[in-house]
Amino acid sequence: GQQLNQSPQSMFIQEGEDVSMNCTSSSIFNTWLWYKQDPGEGPVLLIALYKAGELTSNGRLTAQFGITRKDSFLNISASIPSDVGIYFCAGQSYGNKLVFGAGTILRVKS
Amino acid sequence: GAVVSQHPSWVICKSGTSVKIECRSLDFQATTMFWYRQFPKQSLMLMATSNEGSKATYEQGVEKDKFLINHASLTLSTLTVTSAHPEDSSFYICSARVAGADSYNSPLHFGNGTRLTVT
Repeated sequence: GQQLNQSPQSMFIQEGEDVSMNCTSSSIFNTWLWYKQDPGEGPVLLIALYKAGELTSNGRLTAQFGITRKDSFLNISASIPSDVGIYFCAGQSYGNKLVFGAGTILRVKS
Repeated sequence: GAVVSQHPSWVICKSGTSVKIECRSLDFQATTMFWYRQFPKQSLMLMATSNEGSKATYEQGVEKDKFLINHASLTLSTLTVTSAHPEDSSFYICSARVAGADSYNSPLHFGNGTRLTVT
């Protein structure tokens, strides 16, 4: 079945630093989504990408849909303590189920 | 917009009893809702797809008689964990997609999850 490889698995960075994480797949997706999950809560949608090559921002967050449709990255600029959490990428083929990455645990050192 | 409400947020039950979890789309209609299970420090695992007015579709390895799903309206799906056992303790999360012509490509919106502990 389809699988997503998300990296890094975890990050421990200084407040104010930029963060980058990515997901790759052997399969093509029509949609790439990035979610953030805080402890004990459900995932919250951060950015949705629908076209290959699309670059979308949401505040300090920027995500891109890879041109090959097999990868996506998420950048967080000038990280702050509330950025702590688990970030999941998810890919979807047309009309199919959402496939999740394993998650990236972000810890910010203030 | 696109708010999904899940209830209860946590529940503790005794082994052998049944527990019902509700998932509601508050400001949109959802012909399809999804139920996930998440173990600590792991990703979300799709359990089943709930279809309004028809039977749910279960993923391989998920017992349909154990996890009963009912999607009686366009805004409500329920998951009932029957004869719960300690190994059923987990974080259950529902999600929904806005119904519409291009809904199959629209993003999922998640509820806040239900922490089930079976003693």
